[in-house]
Parts: sequence; structure tokens; C-alpha cells
Amino acid sequence: GAVVSQHPSRVICKSGTSVKIECRSLDFQATTMFWYRQFPKQSLMLMATSNEGSKATYEQGVEKDKFLINHASLTLSTLTVTSAHPEDSSFYICSVGLGPRQFFGPGTRLTVL
Amino acid sequence: AQSVTQLGSHVSVSEGALVLLRCNYSSSVPPYLFWYVQYPNQGLQLLLKYTSAATLVKGINGFEAEFKKSETSFHLTKPSAHMSDAAEYFCAVKEDTSNTGKLIFGQGTTLQVKP
Repeated sequence: GAVVSQHPSRVICKSGTSVKIECRSLDFQATTMFWYRQFPKQSLMLMATSNEGSKATYEQGVEKDKFLINHASLTLSTLTVTSAHPEDSSFYICSVGLGPRQFFGPGTRLTVL
Repeated sequence: AQSVTQLGSHVSVSEGALVLLRCNYSSSVPPYLFWYVQYPNQGLQLLLKYTSAATLVKGINGFEAEFKKSETSFHLTKPSAHMSDAAEYFCAVKEDTSNTGKLIFGQGTTLQVKP
């Protein structure tokens, strides 16, 4: 399988600031990574598909200018939450596809005050 | 388009009782199906997967699921619940089995196990 890490695991920021979350595929070169968001007591919602060397594909209803995704290398995708607000507080999880399976990172808990 | 419906957002069983978590899917092609478990403040752990081989799939921690094409279902069962099984369970479907295929999740079911 693939090992996926995320950094940071937890971040607290003030409203209006930007936060960057990193997702790394440690043992697999991933041309595609996925970003999910999970609100408390809810399911994982796919936000976007991150494509190495090209623009990310966003799901309907996800603001591409607010959630900036950069996939500059085969092992790293970053999600930047710009001008974060309390409603952006959530659990952000990335994953890497390997054939029929997906391997998930441990998640990043974002709290916006 | 693919979708997943989990019937029952909350299931409560007694310790030692049968666990049944329901999942129905919609897919235009033969799907790949998954069950994940999530403990509080943790990431996802794969319980089991169906990838077009045997329709009865055995997973970790004594869980199993049966793929029933005629019913478009993939219900998760465990004969005897343990307290440690209390968690959130997610059913997921994937149509495109390439590395770029999306995984779509159901709404989740919270399993409570009473002593």
C-alpha cells in the first residue's frame, strides 16, 4: 500500500489568516491526490482532486479561490485555506489512489477562532 | 453517477449482539465497495473491500460484508459486538478503479455498544 502523511495534525488560527496543510505520499509517486473535509458528526465530503503539474478539479460548491491546491511534485500536495473563518473549522483529510484502493492521511484538525 | 446511502445514522446494540450496518449503492458500472471505521479524533481505517471477487468479504476485527447486486447492497455485519467496536462507520463506493478514481462516502453510521 501507500503511506500518506499530513502536516500539521492540528492547527489553530485567527479569523482572516491563511493556513497551509501538506499532504505527502511517502512511498508512492502520486499524480493524483484527493482532499476531503469532514465536519463534526458528518461524513467525508470530497472537496477536490489534486493533479500533479496541472490545475486541481474542484467539486461543485467548493470555492477554488478559497481553497488553493498546489500539486507541484509527485509526492506533495498542499491545501491552503485562504482568509479562514470559523465556518472553515473542520477535519481535512487527504488521500492517494492506488488502483481500486485509496490510502488516507491521518487528517488535520483546523480550528479558526 | 455513483452514490452511497447508509440507512440509520445511529445504531445501538448490546455487547455480544449482532451488528448490522446497512449500505446501499448506486453505480452505473460494477462498483468497488468499501467499509471504513473511524474512531474519535482519528483518521480512517479500512475494514474490508469488495473488488469483484467473492461476494462475501471478510475483514478485520471479525467484520464481514456481502455484496448483493440484485439488491445493490453491501451491508456490514459482525456476529458479536464488542465495546471496542463503538465508532463511526462509513460505506464508500468507487467506480473508476484507476489511481485517479474518486471515492464517494455514505453519510456514516454511529455504532453504540451498550454493556
